[in-house]
Amino acid sequence: EAQVTQNPRYLITVTGKKLTVTCSQNMNHEYMSWYRQDPGLGLRQIYYSMNVEVTDKGDVPEGYKVSRKEKRNFPLILESPSPNQTSLYFCASSLNNSPLHFGNGTRLTVT
Amino acid sequence: SQELEQSPQSLIVQEGKNLTINCTSSKTLYGLYWYKQKYGEGLIFLMMLQKGGEEKSHEKITAKLDEKKQQSSLHITASQPSHAGIYLCGPSPSGSARQLTFGSGTQLTVLP
Repeated sequence: EAQVTQNPRYLITVTGKKLTVTCSQNMNHEYMSWYRQDPGLGLRQIYYSMNVEVTDKGDVPEGYKVSRKEKRNFPLILESPSPNQTSLYFCASSLNNSPLHFGNGTRLTVT
Repeated sequence: SQELEQSPQSLIVQEGKNLTINCTSSKTLYGLYWYKQKYGEGLIFLMMLQKGGEEKSHEKITAKLDEKKQQSSLHITASQPSHAGIYLCGPSPSGSARQLTFGSGTQLTVLP
């Protein structure tokens, strides 16, 4: 089944403790991206990647890192999480000029 | 990146009523996608509009893109509880531009 898989679905952590949210797609898509969704602010893009080893900042990249060493994986790294990064995170992928396929989301709480 | 404004932010309707959600861009759109999100879940692609004046329908949902390609509307006819969720509009990438900013979403509640 074609899908975008994010893990974990839920994560509670403390300020400053490094964490990684994984994202994997099995559709051979070149494009992958990360979003955060907050009430009243909608869906905001954090980082995106056009292909392996190519990543660019989105609208809200501060406090996040990404890597794209393989085509299928695009992990989101929070080196030192803070409470303002508490949010619902989505990974998405697509072929060029095609609709995005979204993962089911990761709900992160930073205390 | 492109600014997309959606209205209304939330909508509560009685089952069976028609409704319209709007999405307005500050720039001419290369194209537009509509997505639906159920609470706490990922977004599901609904429709893609690329040509000025284009209109597409799927079941009871119709989406239109105006001639100038700066405004889109999503119309639901005879709404049902299954239509409830968050509707978001997002730009279609233009060429190599892949920084995609979505509209803030419209929360739709359909009362039985």
